[in-house]
Amino acid sequence: AQKVTQAQTEISVVEKEDVTLDCVYETRDTTYYLFWYKQPPSGELVFLIRRNSFDEQNEISGRYSWNFQKSTSSFNFTITASQVVDSAVYFCARRPLNNNAGNMLTFGGGTRLMVKP
Amino acid sequence: DAGVIQSPRHEVTEMGQEVTLRCKPISGHDYLFWYRQTMMRGLELLIYFNNNVPIDDSGMPEDRFSAKMPNASFSTLKIQPSEPRDSAVYFCASSRGGRSYGYTFGSGTRLTVV
Repeated sequence: AQKVTQAQTEISVVEKEDVTLDCVYETRDTTYYLFWYKQPPSGELVFLIRRNSFDEQNEISGRYSWNFQKSTSSFNFTITASQVVDSAVYFCARRPLNNNAGNMLTFGGGTRLMVKP
Repeated sequence: DAGVIQSPRHEVTEMGQEVTLRCKPISGHDYLFWYRQTMMRGLELLIYFNNNVPIDDSGMPEDRFSAKMPNASFSTLKIQPSEPRDSAVYFCASSRGGRSYGYTFGSGTRLTVV
């Protein structure tokens, strides 16, 4: 199986610190999509971002930014000036573009981020 | 857009009982997925459907689990008989296949088998 690895199982920071969540993936596909989801304490899974393998341009959305490095198969997520409301479990996921692979999302194990006031 | 709707939100049942989880996908989405989340195994894909047809059920743990999608707007995941190790959060998600969309997840059903 082509795995998605989030090596950091838990990160604890103090409010206003910057924090980077790592994601490394395996793939034999030439085209694929990468995602980040947030799971707050309430339990739902919230879509944050999608990135396709054609586009290595980094993306910024407010305090969130994503760094995609195809050469190292990494798709890291940085939260700038973290806030208590950012406390959640964050999942990285990969989905092949090839429809024969069934559009299946494969998730990493998640990183629990705790932001302390 | 009402999102993916799952019911019930919480289910507590006794070992050996039948449990049915329900899901209504987003209208127009042609893929539907059932995931299970546990502390030990994280998020696991159980089964997915395309245009109401089961495509891959290799993630279904055993014969006690079954899933159906009788029409484009409804799916069920049934466990019969249930066991304590089935306790988990079960998520349903839908997607517009063939495109670059992520999934939209339901709020999940927290199942506790005692």
